[in-house]
Amino acid sequence: QKEVEQDPGPLSVPEGAIVSLNCTYSNSAFQYFMWYRQYSRKGPELLMYTYSSGNKEDGRFTAQVDKSSKYISLFIRDSQPSDSATYLCAIRGFSGGSNYKLTFGKGTLLTVNP
Amino acid sequence: DTAVSQTPKYLVTQMGNDKSIKCEQNLGHDTMYWYKQDSKKFLKIMFSYNNKELIINETVPNRFSPKSPDKAHLNLHINSLELGDSAVYFCASSRDENTGELFFGEGSRLTVL
Repeated sequence: QKEVEQDPGPLSVPEGAIVSLNCTYSNSAFQYFMWYRQYSRKGPELLMYTYSSGNKEDGRFTAQVDKSSKYISLFIRDSQPSDSATYLCAIRGFSGGSNYKLTFGKGTLLTVNP
Repeated sequence: DTAVSQTPKYLVTQMGNDKSIKCEQNLGHDTMYWYKQDSKKFLKIMFSYNNKELIINETVPNRFSPKSPDKAHLNLHINSLELGDSAVYFCASSRDENTGELFFGEGSRLTVL
């Protein structure tokens, strides 16, 4: 079983839709959870960073972590064409442990149509 | 002012050649990384340096050799290039090795013919 699984999509939605992106992971040692956004021909940039179960909100974006199910989600409300990008989840464990390096999911390609 | 800059952005070369990619960060970060992103967009770590010391060395062919002359620079040299080396190589930096907040360069697209 891969350490981090992410549905690669592609996902196509109309402008204004609510988007749900998800990742599952296999190792309970993972403690830090991130979402990166990557526009075409650009490097990834950090969007959200959380380390506890529950929700974290930033504008139209909400990151959700369920450690008991080993499941993380990113919700985008009122999606805009400018949100069209590849979204990568990234997970790591505690420093000093064997899982402390950042492991990325394969990314989900999202297109928001005007 | 670009935070993490990589050169060149594009490389096209023949199999068997040697090539280098340079990376510089002006963020004052201690830790730098090289990632490889294949055609399916999968981003995989290759190396990480913290204050010029190698801390992560994934299972990468020894044709790949990173060099960090100082903590602001991390270069990648590739010997005897193979078709399978074609990918986008991203340099990144972070404040330290304990954070998951990485700052990426724009990538260097390598095509091996």
